[in-house]
Amino acid sequence: QKEVEQNSGPLSVPEGAIASLNCTYSDRGSQSFFWYRQYSGKSPELIMSIYSNGDKEDGRFTAQLNKASQYVSLLIRDSQPSDSATYLCAVPYSGAGSYQLTFGKGTKLSVIP
Amino acid sequence: DTEVTQTPKHLVMGMTNKKSLKCEQHMGHRAMYWYKQKAKKPPELMFVYSYEKLSINESVPSRFSPECPNSSLLNLHLHALQPEDSALYLCASSQEPHWDISYEQYFGPGTRLTVT
Repeated sequence: QKEVEQNSGPLSVPEGAIASLNCTYSDRGSQSFFWYRQYSGKSPELIMSIYSNGDKEDGRFTAQLNKASQYVSLLIRDSQPSDSATYLCAVPYSGAGSYQLTFGKGTKLSVIP
Repeated sequence: DTEVTQTPKHLVMGMTNKKSLKCEQHMGHRAMYWYKQKAKKPPELMFVYSYEKLSINESVPSRFSPECPNSSLLNLHLHALQPEDSALYLCASSQEPHWDISYEQYFGPGTRLTVT
């Protein structure tokens, strides 16, 4: 059973602070990791992909991957109220000639003005 | 451009109705997916189409019937649904369905389905 674990939150941070979202996964063979942002009532939006150990930065977002610890995180710098959403960690695994995403339950982030 | 479109945005149907959800992508993606998402839960995979062939059916009841007419289109036919089937139905696509390469998966805006 492939498992992806996230703290469900809610995680509340003040505007301008760094929000840190964490995710652990069970499959040691996993090679790719995705973060999706989902606003209430909307569909998931892919915001970060990471494939190699270390950090990957994109604007205010930084994804961090540690395969040895089976841990991936998302940092949001200078958090804005518009960042308030649920963040889903997703890890693919192969099955029947295609691959499927296993999602964590999501962490709800609230950025307080 | 990473756009996946879905119609309709909202759908209300009775338990005896037949309706269809439509999904379209023009990114040349060869894998397409249907997900169901209930409130405060992550998306739950229903079907995977790989090169227009059904490759994964996650034990979905037969009242849901997927169809892939061509590489750009994906339909979900609905018949005799139950109120508990009310949810957000999401379509997604990814570049290639190879088992050892995990391409990014992009979601459409979803169809909000209410079964009365």
